Amino acid sequence: DIQMTQSPSSLSTSVGDRVTITCRASQSITNYLNWYQQKPGKAPNLLIYAASSLQTGVPSRFRGSGSGTDFTLTISSLQPEDFATYYCQQTYTTPWTFGQGTKVEVK
Amino acid sequence: EVQVVESGGGLVQRGGSLRLSCAASGFTFSSYWMHWVRQAPGKGLVWVSRINTDGSITNYADSVKGRFTVSRDNAKKTVYLQMNSLRDEDTAVYSCAREYCSNTSCKLGYNWFDPWGQGTLVVVSS
Repeated sequence: DIQMTQSPSSLSTSVGDRVTITCRASQSITNYLNWYQQKPGKAPNLLIYAASSLQTGVPSRFRGSGSGTDFTLTISSLQPEDFATYYCQQTYTTPWTFGQGTKVEVK
Repeated sequence: EVQVVESGGGLVQRGGSLRLSCAASGFTFSSYWMHWVRQAPGKGLVWVSRINTDGSITNYADSVKGRFTVSRDNAKKTVYLQMNSLRDEDTAVYSCAREYCSNTSCKLGYNWFDPWGQGTLVVVSS
């Protein structure tokens, strides 16, 4: 199975800050990489697919980049509604594995 | 509204069995692969199983292989997860999700989960 490793596991930040989350695959997944946002008690919501394509309706402050094994999710200016946990997911091969999550918390 | 709703969770003894259901609405259920994902309390997302459109192809995570069985009834627009020989480590919220792609992304093989259900809690206790 392909292992997905996110860093950091958590981060404390403030509204308006720039946030960067990284996701590393244990082997090349080209750009078959999704990013989801999950809020407590809610289902995950797709932000980015194909590593850098913004899902319809997702604010442009979210940006995905990377290819091969190293990927990044950047939030350019954190908004109050962005405090949540973020997961990467590879869909290059089954099983479709997730990173362990990055919790973005209020400083 | 496109949605999936899980049911069937509950408290079960170690070694016991449980069948989860996931009812779909708002889309042509028989055209989509369906997946089960679980999330242990305070932990991350873990893929469990998937089934193709007519039920002829199924896949499982190694941790559940031989114990869990996924199936579907397209007439009822429902996917099931039969869980046997349950272990403490199977305690989690189980969610189903539709495998989806947009008009442009399908051509390139880019898929994701949408929608997801809210999940149903399974607690395995001795």
